[in-house]
Amino acid sequence: NAGVTQTPKFRVLKTGQSMTLLCAQDMNHEYMYWYRQDPGMGLRLIHYSVGEGTTAKGEVPDGYNVSRLKKQNFLLGLESAAPSQTSVYFCASKSAGLGSYEQYFGPGTRLTVT
Amino acid sequence: GQQLNQSPQSMFIQEGEDVSMNCTSSSIFNTWLWYKQDPGEGPVLLIALYKAGELTSNGRLTAQFGITRKDSFLNISASIPSDVGIYFCAGQWSGADGLTFGKGTHLIIQP
Repeated sequence: NAGVTQTPKFRVLKTGQSMTLLCAQDMNHEYMYWYRQDPGMGLRLIHYSVGEGTTAKGEVPDGYNVSRLKKQNFLLGLESAAPSQTSVYFCASKSAGLGSYEQYFGPGTRLTVT
Repeated sequence: GQQLNQSPQSMFIQEGEDVSMNCTSSSIFNTWLWYKQDPGEGPVLLIALYKAGELTSNGRLTAQFGITRKDSFLNISASIPSDVGIYFCAGQWSGADGLTFGKGTHLIIQP
């Protein structure tokens, strides 16, 4: 039982390049989330999904796209990377069950855009 | 976008001391959570609070959900070296929503 895993762990991109971050969870959770964390800041919500085939915008969605084609996977895409997208990206998942409040976080992906 | 006001920003304490940190918001939340983050890792849940006025303990940790639903505090008693890390408060309005995080309290323990 791996929990929430993220691929890759580190990546360096040049401005204008594209990439996809993969998040996978094996807990059969309905809800999944993408956050970014900048130095000295708390995590900020980028996009989230309440089920397979659904996505919604969070607090800072500009420059990102997401897809949830399978329940266990949530992809975060950067079409044209910018230096302002240098950050640590965290994925999280959560059960929709009554009384379930905890979001489980992955280990993060550290992205540098030069 | 809203972020929670978390204080203090950092704390330098001696091993064995008690620690207190708090979080305030201009908006109400239905759930308050406290997470700890170690270097190079994702946040891990410490305590979740579901009702206004609730006081909950988890070992040496105690947290309270403010009666106005706009604030919460976390206390750590008798700190030990493994308590070092960054502590985040987070608020949630409804079950499917993402979390709104504070900027964190960096706890440093001097032996």
